[in-house]
Amino acid sequence: GAVVSQHPSWVICKSGTSVKIECRSLDFQATTMFWYRQFPKQSLMLMATSNEGSKATYEQGVEKDKFLINHASLTLSTLTVTSAHPEDSSFYICSARVPGLASTDTQYFGPGTRLTVL
Amino acid sequence: AQTVTQSQPEMSVQEAETVTLSCTYDTSESDYYLFWYKQPPSRQMILVIRQEAYKQQNATENRFSVNFQKAAKSFSLKISDSQLGDAAMYFCAYYSGAGSYQLTFGKGTKLSVIP
Repeated sequence: GAVVSQHPSWVICKSGTSVKIECRSLDFQATTMFWYRQFPKQSLMLMATSNEGSKATYEQGVEKDKFLINHASLTLSTLTVTSAHPEDSSFYICSARVPGLASTDTQYFGPGTRLTVL
Repeated sequence: AQTVTQSQPEMSVQEAETVTLSCTYDTSESDYYLFWYKQPPSRQMILVIRQEAYKQQNATENRFSVNFQKAAKSFSLKISDSQLGDAAMYFCAYYSGAGSYQLTFGKGTKLSVIP
C-alpha cells in the first residue's frame, strides 16, 4: 500500500514559538492531503484540506492564521502551528489521497505527530 | 451533512472468538464508500476494509468482513478468530463519491482482546 510519512513524530516547544510538521507521500503523488487533529480517546477531527498549488480549505472553527498549511509539491504538505499555546497540544495526523477514480479512492495516513506546548 | 454513529464505545472479545462492531450512517447520497480503519496503540491509522455502496456483495479481507445493509444504512465489521494484535480503536468512516474527498469518522470503538 501507499506510504505516508510525518516528521517529526514528537515535538515539545515553548509557548509562543512556531512548529512545522511535514507530511510526505513516499511512493505516490498526492494532489490532495488532509490534516486532522485528535484529542486523547477521541476521533479524528478534520482541520483542513490541502490541494497542491492552491490555498488550503479550512473547516469551520479552525483558525487559518494559526494553522498555516502549505502544499508546495505533489509529495509534501506542511502544517505550521504559529505562536503555539498549551491548548494547541494534541496529536496531529495527515493523510494523502491516492488519486484515481472514485471507485479506487483511498486515503492513507501518516503515523502522526504529538505536539506538546509548554 | 453526513453523520456516522458508532454506538459501542468499548467492546471485548476472547482470543480466537468472533466479534462484531456496529456502525450506522446517515446520508442522502447514492454514491458513497464506507471504510473501517484500525488505530492500534501506536496511533497509526490502518485501513482494514472498504465497501462501495453500489456493490451488493459484502467486502471481505481475510478475517475481516462487513455486513453492509444499504437500506438500513448499517455497516458492521466482523472480526473472526480474534487475535491479540486486533486490540485497537476501530473507526467507521464515510466517504462521499461527490468529489469532496473528505472522510467523516465515527467516534470509534475500543476493542480489547482477552487472552
